[in-house]
Amino acid sequence: AAGVIQSPRHLIKEKRETATLKCYPIPRHDTVYWYQQGPGQDPQFLISFYEKMQSDKGSIPDRFSAQQFSDYHSELNMSSLELGDSALYFCASSYKIETGGIPPYFGPGTRLTVT
Amino acid sequence: GEDVEQSLFLSVREGDSSVINCTYTDSSSTYLYWYKQEPGAGLQLLTYIFSNMDMKQDQRLTVLLNKKDKHLSLRIADTQTGDSAIYFCAERGGNTGKLIFGQGTTLQVKP
Repeated sequence: AAGVIQSPRHLIKEKRETATLKCYPIPRHDTVYWYQQGPGQDPQFLISFYEKMQSDKGSIPDRFSAQQFSDYHSELNMSSLELGDSALYFCASSYKIETGGIPPYFGPGTRLTVT
Repeated sequence: GEDVEQSLFLSVREGDSSVINCTYTDSSSTYLYWYKQEPGAGLQLLTYIFSNMDMKQDQRLTVLLNKKDKHLSLRIADTQTGDSAIYFCAERGGNTGKLIFGQGTTLQVKP
């Protein structure tokens, strides 16, 4: 079965650079979530999109932005990178939140290292 | 507010049962989930329970929900060394369905 695809899987950037992470949800899933997991931490919710509109916002820095495109893939754009942005970034997708729906399935994550 | 608490570490012998506990605060949570994460890997959905259920069994996994006490547990029968990982419970509620995770319980299985 198709899973959530994230690219790239690994990314190394220097401080003050920018990075773009991509997420391709499971086919027919209409909701995408982004999470950040720092070393030894639990995943922290950043932002979500439902039908291409931002549906919720968590602890996402102002330096980060995200969007969901017409094909439902999503991109997380990160600017002015800081050492503390080094983390695993997960994307998850699900379908029809309003009905209780299918549990979110997570992608394999993108490991971002800022040097 | 939303908060999920877990004990941080559990050590068991291979073949024993493991019980990982979780408490949550959001009484409007509709679904509660258990995810498994191996070192450096992604989050694998293990099982989930709807808030109007008391128990759910799936092969070696049993989830118990005490809604009154907002307490969730995951029992793993016949624990194997391959079960060694971090286990996260998560609650899902509200209109947008975001997940709020606990801190994770590291399960160590000794041979």
